[in-house]
Amino acid sequence: AQKITQTQPGMFVQEKEAVTLDCTYDTSDPSYGLFWYKQPSSGEMIFLIYQGSYDQQNATEGRYSLNFQKARKSANLVISASQLGDSAMYFCAMRDTNTGNQFYFGTGTSLTVIP
Amino acid sequence: DAGVIQSPRHEVTEMGQEVTLRCKPISGHNSLFWYRQTMMRGLELLIYFNNNVPIDDSGMPEDRFSAKMPNASFSTLKIQPSEPRDSAVYFCASSLPAYTEAFFGQGTRLTVV
Repeated sequence: AQKITQTQPGMFVQEKEAVTLDCTYDTSDPSYGLFWYKQPSSGEMIFLIYQGSYDQQNATEGRYSLNFQKARKSANLVISASQLGDSAMYFCAMRDTNTGNQFYFGTGTSLTVIP
Repeated sequence: DAGVIQSPRHEVTEMGQEVTLRCKPISGHNSLFWYRQTMMRGLELLIYFNNNVPIDDSGMPEDRFSAKMPNASFSTLKIQPSEPRDSAVYFCASSLPAYTEAFFGQGTRLTVV
């Protein structure tokens, strides 16, 4: 069964607008971590933001925020004020102790920022 | 710290040859992951080490693939014999335990002709 589901293969957003990238996850472990990574066309994997399952507040890092809805098992990434440099693949990932702290990645969402 | 270091960055080899990919994790990190990325299959976890011990190798495609971690600062992924379908980008990543982020190397782009 898929641990991480990203249902949007591709997304477009106008420069300076906000965009939400969807991510749902599946775990029976009450303790887990959720992550988002960015992979630009150059290929490197860049860590963006982390949310712990027990964190009361949604995580934020600059223009990135994570909309964490625990009951719905969703961890959507919100990028505010999109910039051309935000065009990239975005991967959602999860780590839980049920699977020995492995990282599970979704299939990714390709984001294109339109000038 | 220089980050996770992978070598080589690019490798072109002929079908049937042995290929060895190398990874130096970040000092102090005790978890190490090998991933393979292709357009068709996305990012696949091949094997995961914790404290130099393989925890889960269920993602290793077949017996042609093997991975070792002889010490905390070095890991290898070997393909013998290589096949064209092994062509992909191979990433190594390392992390501290539990719910901390993984840091990725730059990847090795492998082409088997």
